[in-house]
Amino acid sequence: DTAVSQTPKYLVTQMGNDKSIKCEQNLGHDTMYWYKQDSKKFLKIMFSYNNKELIINETVPNRFSPKSPDKAHLNLHINSLELGDSAVYFCASSQARAGAYYNEQFFGPGTRLTVL
Amino acid sequence: AQSVAQPEDQVNVAEGNPLTVKCTYSVSGNPYLFWYVQYPNRGLQFLLKYITGDNLVKGSYGFEAEFNKSQTSFHLKKPSALVSDSALYFCAVRPYGGSQGNLIFGKGTKLSVKP
Repeated sequence: DTAVSQTPKYLVTQMGNDKSIKCEQNLGHDTMYWYKQDSKKFLKIMFSYNNKELIINETVPNRFSPKSPDKAHLNLHINSLELGDSAVYFCASSQARAGAYYNEQFFGPGTRLTVL
Repeated sequence: AQSVAQPEDQVNVAEGNPLTVKCTYSVSGNPYLFWYVQYPNRGLQFLLKYITGDNLVKGSYGFEAEFNKSQTSFHLKKPSALVSDSALYFCAVRPYGGSQGNLIFGKGTKLSVKP
């Protein structure tokens, strides 16, 4: 009965490769997010997405792209991986439509990406 | 620029003593305020939030937080700390008028509760 799940939990890859991280939520939420947590534990929003609108943090390189096959999934695809992409990536979801921006977000367990 | 500050990198408390983890914010309008906790190698868990109304909000695991509009603060508190409370705590704010519930997080405060 996991609420927000991510796969894989760990991802080790070489520079220049392309990789994807999958996220699924079974909470019926309408909005999903991707966050990056760096080595100092600082959390930063990368994307937020509902079935109508994608909001991209302007600091995110265009090598990162979210892909949503349906309302319950928001995958993160990364092209041409760089050393600086090494971090923990968290997926989250919330019910945010109709201005319900006070609802808390539910986080997945994270994917630790290591780029060698 | 809108921001959240957690001035302490680490807070050390003896078990049974009260604890406070500080948070101040700088955003426009009336924000929504949140506290999350992260245990090692885990995702963030929601603790509590302030939307409107009573300035003292109660949350999970006996935690509470007090919203102070004049001081733009939202400090997390617990009357009696447990060793199991040791974790990383994040304050977050959703600015008024921001997009789709995007949160701005503080840098986190590591809470260490010793027996």
